[in-house]
Amino acid sequence: AQTVTQSQPEMSVQEAETVTLSCTYDTSESDYYLFWYKQPPSRQMILVIRQEAYKQQNATENRFSVNFQKAAKSFSLKISDSQLGDAAMYFCAYRSPSTGANSKLTFGKGITLSVRP
Amino acid sequence: EAGVAQSPRYKIIEKRQSVAFWCNPISGHATLYWYQQILGQGPKLLIQFQNNGVVDDSQLPKDRFSAERLKGVDSTLKIQPAKLEDSAVYLCASSLDMGSYGYTFGSGTRLTVV
Repeated sequence: AQTVTQSQPEMSVQEAETVTLSCTYDTSESDYYLFWYKQPPSRQMILVIRQEAYKQQNATENRFSVNFQKAAKSFSLKISDSQLGDAAMYFCAYRSPSTGANSKLTFGKGITLSVRP
Repeated sequence: EAGVAQSPRYKIIEKRQSVAFWCNPISGHATLYWYQQILGQGPKLLIQFQNNGVVDDSQLPKDRFSAERLKGVDSTLKIQPAKLEDSAVYLCASSLDMGSYGYTFGSGTRLTVV
């Protein structure tokens, strides 16, 4: 079974600075999908960014970008120009390319990001 | 488009009581998921529906939890009887294509069992 590990429970960043959140995963599959989700106090999980494993190019969405290292099974999220609204829990998630019962998202434990004004 | 709707937002019950949660997915989304998120942990899948059929319920505690998705649209998740360890946020999500582009989540129901 695939596992997702987020070893840093908390991080803090100064407003306007850059922060990197780490994630590693374990899988024997060669193709898969990786995601970062943001969960603010409102509890709604919001998709931040998505990466397809067969694409070597790192995904970017405005101030959010990833560093995808397939061989190392590492998938870190970089937030540039941090804003107060970025404060939330961030979850890394893995999805098998399979359909059916193996298609679920598997989440890490999450990391709490605080932003200092 | 309207998001994933869930109700109630909060629920407090005593142990051994029953409780039900409701979810209305995004229109046209064939796949619906119920996740349990215990405080300080990541969400864990309880059950996945494709239309009105169950795809994966391997982590659903079937002695106390049940779920249905009648007519392939709305879904309800029930707990009977509740235990203290069921205190958690219950998240509903839906997707078009079994989630290869990610899921859209609702705001969840926070359940407290006392």
